[in-house]
Amino acid sequence: DAGITQSPRHKVTETGTPVTLRCHQTENHRYMYWYRQDPGHGLRLIHYSYGVKDTDKGEVSDGYSVSRSKTEDFLLTLESATSSQTSVYFCAISAEGSKNIQYFGAGTRLSVL
Amino acid sequence: DQQVKQNSPSLSVQEGRISILNCDYTNSMFDYFLWYKKYPAEGPTFLISISSIKDKNEDGRFTVFLNKSAKHLSLHIVPSQPGDSAVYFCAASAQGGGATNKLIFGTGTLLAVQP
Repeated sequence: DAGITQSPRHKVTETGTPVTLRCHQTENHRYMYWYRQDPGHGLRLIHYSYGVKDTDKGEVSDGYSVSRSKTEDFLLTLESATSSQTSVYFCAISAEGSKNIQYFGAGTRLSVL
Repeated sequence: DQQVKQNSPSLSVQEGRISILNCDYTNSMFDYFLWYKKYPAEGPTFLISISSIKDKNEDGRFTVFLNKSAKHLSLHIVPSQPGDSAVYFCAASAQGGGATNKLIFGTGTLLAVQP
C-alpha cells in the first residue's frame, strides 16, 4: 500500500453525525488526495492537498472538508453525514515530478444509516 | 460530463487468450494516461502508463496503446491469467494543469479470466 494507512477501515454511523477519516503516509510525498468510489461512477476526487495547509476542492466536494496540518496526515471530515455519503473512500499520494502516478490506500468503507 | 469513458462494464476471456480493455476520452488537453487494477476490498494499484508523445508502452504481459487522433487508448493483457481478474480503471491527466497532478478516472471494467 505504498506506506499509506487509512483509518478506520470500516465505519457505520447515523445520519447527521460528524465523521472523520484519516490518511497517514510514511513516504513524505507532497500531494495527497481523497476519492470516493461508487458503482457507475468510478473514482471521483473529493479534495486534494499540495502541501501542509494547502488544500483545494475536487469534483465532489460538497458536504466534505479536509485538513492537513502535517505532511504525513490528511483528514477528511463529513460535518453532518448523509446517506448519499455512503461509499468507499480512498486516500492517494503522489510525489513531486512523479508524472501524476498516484498510490492508493486500502480504503474506508463508510455506511451512513 | 464524463471526460474519461470505459463503455464496457465487464469483459470475460479465457485463460491464455488476449484481454483488451478500452478507454475513450474527450478532453484534448489530456497528455498522460494511466491504468489501475483493483481487487475487491483493496485500493487501486498502478499498472502501466503512457505519455501522449508515445503510441505504445509495454511492460511484460501488459501493453497500452494510445490513438490520439481517435482519443482512444487500450490495455492489452497477453496471455491472460486468472489472477488478472479485477476491475481495471483508466485515468487521464493534463500536465499543463499545474502542480496539482489531478487524475480523471473512468468508471472501470470488470475483467473475469476463466480458467
